[in-house]
Amino acid sequence: QKEVEQDPGPLSVPEGAIVSLNCTYSNSAFQYFMWYRQYSRKGPELLMYTYSSGNKEDGRFTAQVDKSSKYISLFIRDSQPSDSATYLCAMRDQAGTALIFGKGTTLSVSS
Amino acid sequence: GAGVSQTPSNKVTEKGKYVELRCDPISGHTALYWYRQSLGQGPEFLIYFQGTGAADDSGLPNDRFFAVRPEGSVSTLKIQRTERGDSAVYLCASSPWGGLTEAFFGQGTRLTVV
Repeated sequence: QKEVEQDPGPLSVPEGAIVSLNCTYSNSAFQYFMWYRQYSRKGPELLMYTYSSGNKEDGRFTAQVDKSSKYISLFIRDSQPSDSATYLCAMRDQAGTALIFGKGTTLSVSS
Repeated sequence: GAGVSQTPSNKVTEKGKYVELRCDPISGHTALYWYRQSLGQGPEFLIYFQGTGAADDSGLPNDRFFAVRPEGSVSTLKIQRTERGDSAVYLCASSPWGGLTEAFFGQGTRLTVV
């Protein structure tokens, strides 16, 4: 079992839909949780960062961490065609220097 | 350009050859990371520099891979005796102090070994 599991999709939604992206993980020591967006042939771009459990909101994006279930989510409200990209979850423990990434979920938002 | 710059953007090489991939981090960033992203996968950690020294090289897959950062800015990832399995996008990221929450990634070098 990989440390971080993420359904690769693809996920296709119409413009304006609410999108839910998820990752599960096995290492209970993970404390830092990130979501990255990666457009085709580009490097990952940090979208959201959460420390430990809880919710964080930034505009149309909400990140949730449930450490008891080892489950993290990213919600995108009012999705736009420009949101079409691959979304990567990533996490690390308190002392670690390396981020552990999921495989990424490919999202397509149609207008 | 204020971002992380990686050159070349694409590299095709023959099996068994030696390659060097270059990363120019954001000016003033002391931390530099190399990751490798295979098709359909998330990035996998290779090595982390803090200044000139490799603080964590636990992700390097074998001794054919080596990276340097002699003056604490530009870094070069070196791969000897390339194999077809080395084909991937090699990503570089830098951050001001080592915090991955402020790491900025370059666009990557797409390496193809034929």
